Amino acid sequence: DAGVIQSPRHEVTEMGQEVTLRCKPISGHDYLFWYRQTMMRGLELLIYFNNNVPIDDSGMPEDRFSAKMPNASFSTLKIQPSEPRDSAVYFCASRPQGLGNTIYFGEGSWLTVV
Amino acid sequence: GQQVMQIPQYQHVQEGEDFTTYCNSSTTLSNIQWYKQRPGGHPVFLIQLVKSGEVKKQKRLTFQFGEAKKNSSLHITATQTTDVGTYFCALHRTNAGKSTFGDGTTLTVKP
Repeated sequence: DAGVIQSPRHEVTEMGQEVTLRCKPISGHDYLFWYRQTMMRGLELLIYFNNNVPIDDSGMPEDRFSAKMPNASFSTLKIQPSEPRDSAVYFCASRPQGLGNTIYFGEGSWLTVV
Repeated sequence: GQQVMQIPQYQHVQEGEDFTTYCNSSTTLSNIQWYKQRPGGHPVFLIQLVKSGEVKKQKRLTFQFGEAKKNSSLHITATQTTDVGTYFCALHRTNAGKSTFGDGTTLTVKP
């Protein structure tokens, strides 16, 4: 399997612009997670889906952030408008159904907002 | 909400020295997982512990799950430069879809 695929790998954008991050989970995995990692705040769970349905979005920082999962093989995380404090590495991860099953992370999208 | 404390936050060792990181939960866990993230990389699964008092080994790495299933440790014997990175524990409670990650312990090894 190709693993969790994220795009873009790197993005530099200007403040105020819209940013869309994309994720293709591992086929057959029922859970999809979006994490944000920064030096200051560590690894934060933003939102997760189960069978394409958002289950917990309590980690989403504010209304500028939104996430969708239109089908089992694709998810997006959108930031509109972006701000410099959104600069971080955004990881998408997936895992199969079943308690405690291994979480597989993508390689991350490195976002810089200037 | 679930509390997880991972200590220490940073550890600098000389190559050949041992290293231990600890993970403590405020609640009883169904299982715990450990992940390693190399600098510039992404977290990668190392191991899962399920049973009370469980001990598992992977070469120089020893993982333990506490008897009360509220804490865990990762011990590396005779560290090597390839061990550098951040080690995370991930906690799971029964009926929870999501995992709670600790803040991680970042290990640096002087050659």
